[in-house]
Amino acid sequence: GENVEQHPSTLSVQEGDSAVIKCTYSDSASNYFPWYKQELGKRPQLIIDIRSNVGEKKDQRIAVTLNKTAKHFSLHITETQPEDSAVYFCAASAGGYQKVTFGTGTKLQVIP
Amino acid sequence: DSGVTQTPKHLITATGQRVTLRCSPRSGDLSVYWYQQSLDQGLQFLIQYYNGEERAKGNILERFSAQQFPDLHSELNLSSLELGDSALYFCASSVASSGSNEQFFGPGTRLTVL
Repeated sequence: GENVEQHPSTLSVQEGDSAVIKCTYSDSASNYFPWYKQELGKRPQLIIDIRSNVGEKKDQRIAVTLNKTAKHFSLHITETQPEDSAVYFCAASAGGYQKVTFGTGTKLQVIP
Repeated sequence: DSGVTQTPKHLITATGQRVTLRCSPRSGDLSVYWYQQSLDQGLQFLIQYYNGEERAKGNILERFSAQQFPDLHSELNLSSLELGDSALYFCASSVASSGSNEQFFGPGTRLTVL
């Protein structure tokens, strides 16, 4: 089955700096890669996703890149703000009846 | 608010007991997913139902079972509870059966086994 590895497990950045979280996946059939943000004590929420026919996607300060050949994808957050502090999960799915496999999460702390 | 509801919010019980967690998906969503999140851990996929039928199975223990009813709400049954079953249990829903759709998570049920 699919295996998703996520690094780093914790990340501290100064407010205004950029943050990068990296994930690798094992199943070459995976074609959907969502990122979820989970604030302390709250539910995970989708912040951005990318499909395998696209190499990069941006939404304001958030961007995701995908390298299908290397089987890795990354989340980039620019101009970080204290409210970006949360746990971020990457995930991968081959679609169809295949489940979504989540990474282990990255705890991002933005220091004011 | 995602539109997904879960009850109860908190559940405290003893080892060996059985509990039922309930989830109501967003209006129009046919798929329901169950996840387990232990302290400082990731999201472990348990099981998925689509329109009443089991669609995908993760690392769900034999002591755990689930079902989706005709009104599309779902229940997760946990029996012979052990201390290690203490966790946050999330339900999520999506419009279709494919894994390539956004999942909307409920607020979770925090289970504490004493």
